[in-house]
Amino acid sequence: SQTIHQWPATLVQPVGSPLSLECTVEGTSNPNLYWYRQAAGRGLQLLFYSVGIGQISSEVPQNLSASRPQDRQFILSSKKLLLSDSGFYLCAWSAGRTSLNFGPGTRLLVL
Amino acid sequence: TQLLEQSPQFLSIQEGENLTVYCNSSSVFSSLQWYRQEPGEGPVLLVTVVTGGEVKKLKRLTFQFGDARKDSSLHITAAQPGDTGLYLCAGDNAGNMLTFGGGTRLMVKP
Repeated sequence: SQTIHQWPATLVQPVGSPLSLECTVEGTSNPNLYWYRQAAGRGLQLLFYSVGIGQISSEVPQNLSASRPQDRQFILSSKKLLLSDSGFYLCAWSAGRTSLNFGPGTRLLVL
Repeated sequence: TQLLEQSPQFLSIQEGENLTVYCNSSSVFSSLQWYRQEPGEGPVLLVTVVTGGEVKKLKRLTFQFGDARKDSSLHITAAQPGDTGLYLCAGDNAGNMLTFGGGTRLMVKP
């Protein structure tokens, strides 16, 4: 069966510090991968998606970036965090145009 | 940009009551999905509706896709505290991405 992992689960970082969130998927090949951000109790904002290694599409211009160094690994990064980067970050995978399978999320608090 | 509007944004009811959550758009979607999310966790898929007018039932939950495939509703009968959570609808525009609604936060009090 397929599983998706995210870490860390919780992160508290000072403004201006770098960020690296990791997501890995097991049990499937060549998945579509996504990074979403969710404000408290609200809907999901798509940040990045990838249909293959090294292929990244950005949906919202910001100080975040994403990379896909391996087929089942998706990384969200920032060189300098802003207060507004605080939120709940969700990684998800799909097999083409099917439903999304979400990871457990990372709660980021920027102080 | 395709938008999905969900209403109500918040709903607090007593156990045993019925409720309906709405998901509306001016755009046509090839399919629409409903997810439920519990605090601190990722959303989990409940159902996908594909055909205009389609009705799907999942125990006490009834999902309907509008005839024109622009809107959907979720009806819960005899709500239970375990139904508490954030309900999200998401439309598939035939691309690689889903458009998510803003969510309806449901609280069912015992």
